[in-house]
Amino acid sequence: NAGVTQTPKFQVLKTGQSMTLQCAQDMNHEYMSWYRQDPGMGLRLIHYSVGAGITDQGEVPNGYNVSRSTTEDFPLRLLSAAPSQTSVYFCASTTSRGGRQAFFGQGTRLTVV
Amino acid sequence: DAKTTQPTSMDCAEGRAANLPCNHSTISGNEYVYWYRQIHSQGPQYIIHGLKNNETNEMASLIITEDRKSSTLILPHATLRDTAVYYCIVSPNRDDKIIFGKGTRLHILP
Repeated sequence: NAGVTQTPKFQVLKTGQSMTLQCAQDMNHEYMSWYRQDPGMGLRLIHYSVGAGITDQGEVPNGYNVSRSTTEDFPLRLLSAAPSQTSVYFCASTTSRGGRQAFFGQGTRLTVV
Repeated sequence: DAKTTQPTSMDCAEGRAANLPCNHSTISGNEYVYWYRQIHSQGPQYIIHGLKNNETNEMASLIITEDRKSSTLILPHATLRDTAVYYCIVSPNRDDKIIFGKGTRLHILP
């Protein structure tokens, strides 16, 4: 049981490039979400999903796309990277029984130059 | 969603109990109180949650006041490894979003 796996751990992009951050969970959780954390700041919700085929926007969705074709995977796409998207990105997978407990991945550290 | 208020930072001596307060005066009847922590740059870690009753697990205890307008997370014997940012979150059980505030930065002093 690996929990929540994020890849890559580190990435440097040039302005305007696109890329996909991968997130996979093996706990059969319905709910998954993406957060970003800027230096010295708290976590902000980007997008979330309540199940395969269903996604919704969080607090800061602009510049990002998501899809949820399977229960296990929830990729985050940066359409055209900007320096303002330099951040640490965390993916979370959440139980839905008896109160929600979120399990987080170890993060992807993205730098846009 | 109800908002929470936490102190920006706190210190606690190693081996002592760390008591982290959280105010959530606008909490609704169906909203749970959750606590997470984030050690350095790692992903946040779930600690505990509760609705009305006090809760205890292997990591901590959660004390919720009778009017549910505030709560306290207790780490019974703090160690240096408990140095982290602690987040108090209130959210309906059926809600799908977990929104983080700024949390409390807890420093455990040797």
